[in-house]
Amino acid sequence: DADVTQTPRNRITKTGKRIMLECSQTKGHDRMYWYRQDPGLGLQLIYYSFDVKDINKGEISDGYSVSRQAQAKFSLSLESAIPNQTALYFCATFDGNTGELFFGEGSRLTVL
Amino acid sequence: QKEVEQNSGPLSVPEGAIASLNCTYSDRGSQSFFWYRQYSGKSPELIMFIYSNGDKEDGRFTAQLNKASQYVSLLIRDSQPSDSATYLCADMEYGNKLVFGAGTILRVKS
Repeated sequence: DADVTQTPRNRITKTGKRIMLECSQTKGHDRMYWYRQDPGLGLQLIYYSFDVKDINKGEISDGYSVSRQAQAKFSLSLESAIPNQTALYFCATFDGNTGELFFGEGSRLTVL
Repeated sequence: QKEVEQNSGPLSVPEGAIASLNCTYSDRGSQSFFWYRQYSGKSPELIMFIYSNGDKEDGRFTAQLNKASQYVSLLIRDSQPSDSATYLCADMEYGNKLVFGAGTILRVKS
């Protein structure tokens, strides 16, 4: 099983629908992140969390919200999806000892 | 806001050659840099990190950091077709946030 698991892996939805992407991890890391990847634009940070009570906006948080339900779970929500939110979304955890980000397998979202 | 710039490529090299991937960054105070490899349709995975000026070697990979020129590079020796991927350079911000470049596509031709 993957250390960082994302669900769903693929989702097609319509404009205006509410969507939740879920992330769970077994690595025991406190810090978790949501990134968005668009072709030619690299990875952009949406939200990050240092622990259950510490959640912070990244560079492109507009239109998104998050919930840190437990150390192991960090969910990303799109309250009212729009077509330009079509992208590949990655959840990641941070290993403070090595400085490494561990990524989930990604969730591909298409908004029609 | 930190910025990281990479040539999108594709960079094409023959099998067995040295591939040289480059990255520039905007924040003169940046200390930590990371190279991630991403195969098509897959998630990024860490190849190397570098904190100090100079070179750091790990197997076929060498990372180079030049803080005066705000320049980071990754050299891949004896390139193999399995090295064909997108290589992402990243700068670490306060709060352990990584700022990524757009990535360079590497193609190794057999």
